[in-house]
Amino acid sequence: NAGVMQNPRHLVRRRGQEARLRCSPMKGHSHVYWYRQLPEEGLKFMVYLQKENIIDESGMPKERFSAEFPKEGPSILRIQQVVRGDSAAYFCASSPRPPGIEKLFFGSGTQLSVL
Amino acid sequence: KQEVTQIPAALSVPEGENLVLNCSFTDSAIYNLQWFRQDPGKGLTSLLLIQSSQREQTSGRLNASLDKSSGRSTLYIAASQPGDSATYLCAVKETSGSRLTFGEGTQLTVNP
Repeated sequence: NAGVMQNPRHLVRRRGQEARLRCSPMKGHSHVYWYRQLPEEGLKFMVYLQKENIIDESGMPKERFSAEFPKEGPSILRIQQVVRGDSAAYFCASSPRPPGIEKLFFGSGTQLSVL
Repeated sequence: KQEVTQIPAALSVPEGENLVLNCSFTDSAIYNLQWFRQDPGKGLTSLLLIQSSQREQTSGRLNASLDKSSGRSTLYIAASQPGDSATYLCAVKETSGSRLTFGEGTQLTVNP
C-alpha cells in the first residue's frame, strides 16, 4: 500500500505563473488535507477536502489559491499568479475517516520556489 | 485562537540518553494530540496519537503523556540513538473544526 504521493517534489515558477501541486492519497482514504510550511515557520492548515467537496477552506488565502479533489484522480492545489511569498513546502495528508479519529498520513511535500 | 509552543527549539544529546520534549497549548478544548517526526526533505511521520480522554500512549522507546487541564504534553524518548535525530512536531486537533495546529518543533540531534 503506497503512502501519500505528492508531485512534483520540487517546482520552480517565475512570478505571475501558475503552480499546480498534485496529491494522491493512500488507497482507501477519501479525506485530504493541505498544509503549508513557510520558511522558519510551523505548518499551517490550508484546506480539508472529501471526495468532490471542500469541507473546510478556512486556512486558504482569499485570492489566487484553490483546491479540488475530483471523483477520479488526485487532489490538486492550484496557485495562480504566484508571488515570492508563496515559496514554501506544501504538504498533503490523508485519512480514511474524518479528522481526529485516526492518525493523518503525510506525503513528502512539494517544495515550491518562486523566482 | 489555539497556539502550540514547543520547548526547547533545539536539543543535542549524546547517544544513550533519555530525553523529554515539551509541548504546550493554550486552549484545552482539544480532541486529540499527535506527535510527529519530520526528517529533512521528507514528510511527517505520525509517532503517537493521544485522544483527549487518554493520559499517555507508548510505542517502543517512545512515551507521550497528555495533561489536558494544564495544556501540556511531553514526549519521552528512552535510550536515544543517532537515528532518532529529526525534528519532532506536536499538533493538536480541537473539538471543533478540521485543522491540526502545529508547534514549530524541536530539532533533536543525537550524537554517536
